[in-house]
Amino acid sequence: TQLLEQSPQFLSIQEGENLTVYCNSSSVFSSLQWYRQEPGEGPVLLVTVVTGGEVKKLKRLTFQFGDARKDSSLHITAAQPGDTGLYLCAGDGPGAGSYQLTFGKGTKLSVIP
Amino acid sequence: DTEVTQTPKHLVMGMTNKKSLKCEQHMGHRAMYWYKQKAKKPPELMFVYSYEKLSINESVPSRFSPECPNSSLLNLHLHALQPEDSALYLCASSQTPLEAFFGQGTRLTVV
Repeated sequence: TQLLEQSPQFLSIQEGENLTVYCNSSSVFSSLQWYRQEPGEGPVLLVTVVTGGEVKKLKRLTFQFGDARKDSSLHITAAQPGDTGLYLCAGDGPGAGSYQLTFGKGTKLSVIP
Repeated sequence: DTEVTQTPKHLVMGMTNKKSLKCEQHMGHRAMYWYKQKAKKPPELMFVYSYEKLSINESVPSRFSPECPNSSLLNLHLHALQPEDSALYLCASSQTPLEAFFGQGTRLTVV
């Protein structure tokens, strides 16, 4: 069974601060995805990283996939209250064509105005 | 259109009721999924349909019965549920294994 561990589990910061959340595994993933979920809503896909060492930017969010494709990080610059939510990483299997996503337990982020 | 639409948004049902959750996508995605999410937990995979055929059933109790009438629709039929089945039920679709698009979910309460 592949497991994804996310840290920290909870994070509360002031508006304007920077933060990084992590997603780690002992398994290799073909790809990793990051989602943000608000209470009572479905997860919204933010980004997919596929290549080891890949860095993707989405406005103030920077995503990195580890060289060995076992870990990923999400860095938010100058956090805004609208960034508040549950951040989930998810990976598909090391084999090609797996339709099973493995989710981490998530990082609950609160950005205080 | 990048939407996955789920109905109803909220559902309260008794343990003897039969109800259905519906999901629709018009992105031409080949795979559709049902997930269950309890409070403060990540989504847990229940079923995967690929090309309208059930390809994965994660040992889900038979009181949950999925159905894929066509490539755009996915249903989840519910019968004789227990209070512990109360959760957010999420539908998702994807064209490739890489990216899943989720609906807004159905908040199910079993009384």
